Amino acid sequence: GAGVSQSPSNKVTEKGKDVELRCDPISGHTALYWYRQSLGQGLEFLIYFQGNSAPDKSGLPSDRFSAERTGGSVSTLTIQRTQQEDSAVYLCASSSGTSGEQYFGPGTRLTVT
Amino acid sequence: AQSVSQHNHHVILSEAASLELGCNYSYGGTVNLFWYVQYPGQHLQLLLKYFSGDPLVKGIKGFEAEFIKSKFSFNLRKPSVQWSDTAEYFCAVNAPNFGNEKLTFGTGTRLTIIP
Repeated sequence: GAGVSQSPSNKVTEKGKDVELRCDPISGHTALYWYRQSLGQGLEFLIYFQGNSAPDKSGLPSDRFSAERTGGSVSTLTIQRTQQEDSAVYLCASSSGTSGEQYFGPGTRLTVT
Repeated sequence: AQSVSQHNHHVILSEAASLELGCNYSYGGTVNLFWYVQYPGQHLQLLLKYFSGDPLVKGIKGFEAEFIKSKFSFNLRKPSVQWSDTAEYFCAVNAPNFGNEKLTFGTGTRLTIIP
């Protein structure tokens, strides 16, 4: 079956521009997560959506980062006024519910020049 | 808050050698434990997981891990590695009992297998 998909796979942007990253979770998965993988920080949690509950935004590094999940499915992570330190691979994962294992997408490699 | 330590940053082994990668976590409550693997150019895949029950868990590709609660450890083992095991390995925990599903990852261990 289809796994988690993310687009674009690569994004190069200029400092100060806004970017949107998209995640399509596995169909039927109620939980969706965003993580960031960078050389200096390893794998960091950013935000978590579970069903219709309010998202856990505790991992977002600044107010330039936001995410939404429409219709309980597709999610978009938006980074405003990008900075060079935002360069990383942004990973999306989904799971079927409480204590479910998380399935990861291939990631979006963001490069801010 | 949870934290995960992986003390081996880069491990180099010859084929057929035995493998043990260390993972220690810091959290006072019940946790779920995971090992993920990232092969070169591929996305993160689950190797194995521990939720409860038998502390020795077996995963894919001949890997196993043992949860030792008293040591807060969840070390990954494989009796005989293959060249195809070259990858980066991440230990992770979450604490779902408190509705906190997010994974906390260790910094990863890069494993290089020499043919």
